[in-house]
Amino acid sequence: DIQVTQSPSSLSASVRDRVTITCRASQSIGNSLNWYQQRPGKAPRLLIYGASSLQSGVPSRFSGSGSGTDFTLTISSLQPEDFATYFCQQAYITRWAFGQGTKVEIK
Amino acid sequence: EVQLVESGGGLVQPGGSLKLSCVASGFTFSDHIMDWVRQAPGKGLEWIGRGRNKVKSYTTEYAASVRGRFTISRDDSKSSLYLQMNSLEVEDTALYYCVRLHESSGYYYSDSWGQGTLVTVSA
Repeated sequence: DIQVTQSPSSLSASVRDRVTITCRASQSIGNSLNWYQQRPGKAPRLLIYGASSLQSGVPSRFSGSGSGTDFTLTISSLQPEDFATYFCQQAYITRWAFGQGTKVEIK
Repeated sequence: EVQLVESGGGLVQPGGSLKLSCVASGFTFSDHIMDWVRQAPGKGLEWIGRGRNKVKSYTTEYAASVRGRFTISRDDSKSSLYLQMNSLEVEDTALYYCVRLHESSGYYYSDSWGQGTLVTVSA
C-alpha cells in the first residue's frame, strides 16, 4: 500500500501568516493527492483535489502544488477560521490513505 | 443539497457485531462510489472500505485492518450504504463517516461527508 507522511504534525501561526504544509508519498502517485480541512467537532471538508484544483466554494488563499511524491498545501494569508487540522490523502490506488494530519494553532 | 446521515452506532462488547447505515439524499446515489472512513477519538482519519456502484459491478474493497471482519453493502433503491461490523475489537472504537466519492478530470476525491456515528467497543 502507498503511505503518505505529513509534516509538520503541528504548527503555530498568526493571522495573515503564510502557512505551508507538506505531504510525501511512499511512491509516485502522479497528481492523485487531495487535501482536507477539519475543524473541531466537524466532518472533514475537501479543499484541493488532483494536487492543485481548488474545490468549489473554497477561498482562493488555499492552493496546492506538487506531483509524484512531494506535495504542498499553502494558505497565503491565514484567517481566524483556518485554525484547524489539515489532512492529505493519496487517491492513486484503491486503498486510499490519509496523512497523519497537521494541526494549525494560533500563536 | 447533498446529505449523508449515518446511524447505528453505539456501545458494543469486544467480539460483538454492529451494523451501520447511511442514508443519502440530494443526489443520485446509484451513480456514486461510496466509502466508509473512521476516526478514533483524538486521532487521524482512516479509510476502511469502499462500495462501488452498478457500473463498477458493486465491487468492494477493504483496509487490511478490517478485511474479513467488516462488510460493505448498498441498496440503491433506498439510497443507502451499510457497514456490517463483526468480531469488533477495542481498536475499532471510532467515529464512522459515510463519504461520497466524486470524479473530475480523471481525479477521484471525497467531496461529501456525513456527520458520523460513534462506535464504542468496550467491556
